[in-house]
Amino acid sequence: GENVEQHPSTLSVQEGDSAVIKCTYSDSASNYFPWYKQELGKRPQLIIDIRSNVGEKKDQRIAVTLNKTAKHFSLHITETQPEDSAVYFCAASINNNNDMRFGAGTRLTVKP
Amino acid sequence: DAGITQSPRYKITETGRQVTLMCHQTWSHSYMFWYRQDLGHGLRLIYYSAAADITDKGEVPDGYVVSRSKTENFPLTLESATRSQTSVYFCATGTGTGIQYFGAGTRLSVL
Repeated sequence: GENVEQHPSTLSVQEGDSAVIKCTYSDSASNYFPWYKQELGKRPQLIIDIRSNVGEKKDQRIAVTLNKTAKHFSLHITETQPEDSAVYFCAASINNNNDMRFGAGTRLTVKP
Repeated sequence: DAGITQSPRYKITETGRQVTLMCHQTWSHSYMFWYRQDLGHGLRLIYYSAAADITDKGEVPDGYVVSRSKTENFPLTLESATRSQTSVYFCATGTGTGIQYFGAGTRLSVL
């Protein structure tokens, strides 16, 4: 089955700096790649997603890029703020079949 | 989101006991899921359901049973709880386009 690896496991940045989280996937048939943010003690919430027919997608300060050839995708957060501090999860699924596999998560800390 | 409700939010049980975690949604999403979340493993899919009376195994189904007699409910049963099943369990619903919405979670401790 699909295997998703996520790096780094922890990331600490200064407020205002950029943060990048990277994920790789194993199954070339995967075509849907969402990112979830989970604040301490809360549920995961979708923040952005990308499908395989698109190479990049932006939503204000966050963006996701996808390299299908290399089978990796990344989350970029610019102008980080303390409220961006959370655990971020990447995921991948094939043909919207909803059998989604998640990365192990990245704990992002934004220092004021 | 009030559209997906998990109960109980916290549960303590003993090894060997049967435990059922409930999940209810009001959105009429066709897909429902159960994940467990453990440190270092992220979210791992236990079972999912594409519609009433249709269920499929996920990545870690052993020791768990699910049913979906009604579209809005998707209970997860641990038939004989083990300590390794201590975890946070999240239910989620899906639109069929891959997007999933998570419940608030159930923290289960098996002593």
